[in-house]
Amino acid sequence: KQEVTQIPAALSVPEGENLVLNCSFTDSAIYNLQWFRQDPGKGLTSLLLIQSSQREQTSGRLNASLDKSSGRSTLYIAASQPGDSATYLCAVPFYGGSQGNLIFGKGTKLSVKP
Amino acid sequence: GAVVSQHPSRVICKSGTSVKIECRSLDFQATTMFWYRQFPKQSLMLMATSNEGSKATYEQGVEKDKFLINHASLTLSTLTVTSAHPEDSSFYICSARDRLEYGYTFGSGTRLTVV
Repeated sequence: KQEVTQIPAALSVPEGENLVLNCSFTDSAIYNLQWFRQDPGKGLTSLLLIQSSQREQTSGRLNASLDKSSGRSTLYIAASQPGDSATYLCAVPFYGGSQGNLIFGKGTKLSVKP
Repeated sequence: GAVVSQHPSRVICKSGTSVKIECRSLDFQATTMFWYRQFPKQSLMLMATSNEGSKATYEQGVEKDKFLINHASLTLSTLTVTSAHPEDSSFYICSARDRLEYGYTFGSGTRLTVV
């Protein structure tokens, strides 16, 4: 059974810091891994999608890496800003039961202080 | 990119009434849509998989007679919470995927409060 874990559960940093969010998954047979951002009371915004054949993806100040063999992914945020404050979720597709629903971690709640 | 529109964003209803939530894929056809529920400070948990033209598949512990799902077209899936109770108060969110390699797109979610 695929399980996704995110560490830390919460993180508070001063503006301008670089930071790393961690995601681990138990079954390395994944098709891809997706990072999302969720603002309070809102839906999910897709940040980065890494295919299983890729090792990293970059979008602006965000960089996500994937190491399938060790079951890990990291999301690196450079020069953090208060607007980055949100909950960050990682998820992998599950093809065992349903037709590819996502299995989510519990998220890392990020707070960037001005 | 792919867009999924979900309505309403927020609804308050009385206990015992029914509420319908709509999820539309705006620029792609979705043969499959997923419905998730999120309780406060918890992650998203899959409730059911909505399949166009056939019955939905429900996850263990989710009452199919309480959470009615209809996927009548390739662009529309609806979730109806019937005879709602306060414990059904939660954040409901749908998701669909355009192509396998594109990743998932989520609706904006529906905050349901049953009073």
